[in-house]
Amino acid sequence: ELKVEQNPLFLSMQEGKNYTIYCNYSTTSDRLYWYRQDPGKSLESLFVLLSNGAVKQEGRLMASLDTKARLSTLHITAAVHDLSATYFCAVDMGSSGSRLTFGEGTQLTVNP
Amino acid sequence: KAGVTQTPRYLIKTRGQQVTLSCSPISGHRSVSWYQQTPGQGLQFLFEYFSETQRNKGNFPGRFSGRQFSNSRSEMNVSTLELGDSALYLCASSLSQYNEKLFFGSGTQLSVL
Repeated sequence: ELKVEQNPLFLSMQEGKNYTIYCNYSTTSDRLYWYRQDPGKSLESLFVLLSNGAVKQEGRLMASLDTKARLSTLHITAAVHDLSATYFCAVDMGSSGSRLTFGEGTQLTVNP
Repeated sequence: KAGVTQTPRYLIKTRGQQVTLSCSPISGHRSVSWYQQTPGQGLQFLFEYFSETQRNKGNFPGRFSGRQFSNSRSEMNVSTLELGDSALYLCASSLSQYNEKLFFGSGTQLSVL
């Protein structure tokens, strides 16, 4: 059974600081996704990582994938309040990208 | 372009009843998948449909079922509701069965009393 674990589950940080969220998964997969969820809202796709060594950046967020270590990271640079949300990583259980196993989510709070 | 539309947005039912949730994918998207989100279990895959065929099903009891119509719209049904079925049910669509990106709807918040 595929397990996806995120660390930390709760993160409170100050504006301007850097931090990394980790996502470990238990079985081989080369498709990993990061999503953002604001309170009471749906999931918004952030990154799709499709191969070992993949790195993608959007604004203050950068995601990477190491399939050999079964690890993905989401790095936050110079955090701002607008980044406060819950971040989920998800691993594709099949080949379609539609059958995802999600991590528990990391609840990020950025304080002024 | 309209996003994924789920109806209703909120629903209150009592134990033993059944419920049907609806999902209209983004125009042109043919793959629809459903997820259940609860505080205790997190996000869990329910099922996936492509071209009216169920391609995958998650680890849920047979009370949970779904279907997809020729216009790609999808419905899921939960029969004999239990308190533990209270959750946010999210529908996601993608362009094809091999697409990389899922677009999620706002969800249906189901409360079972």
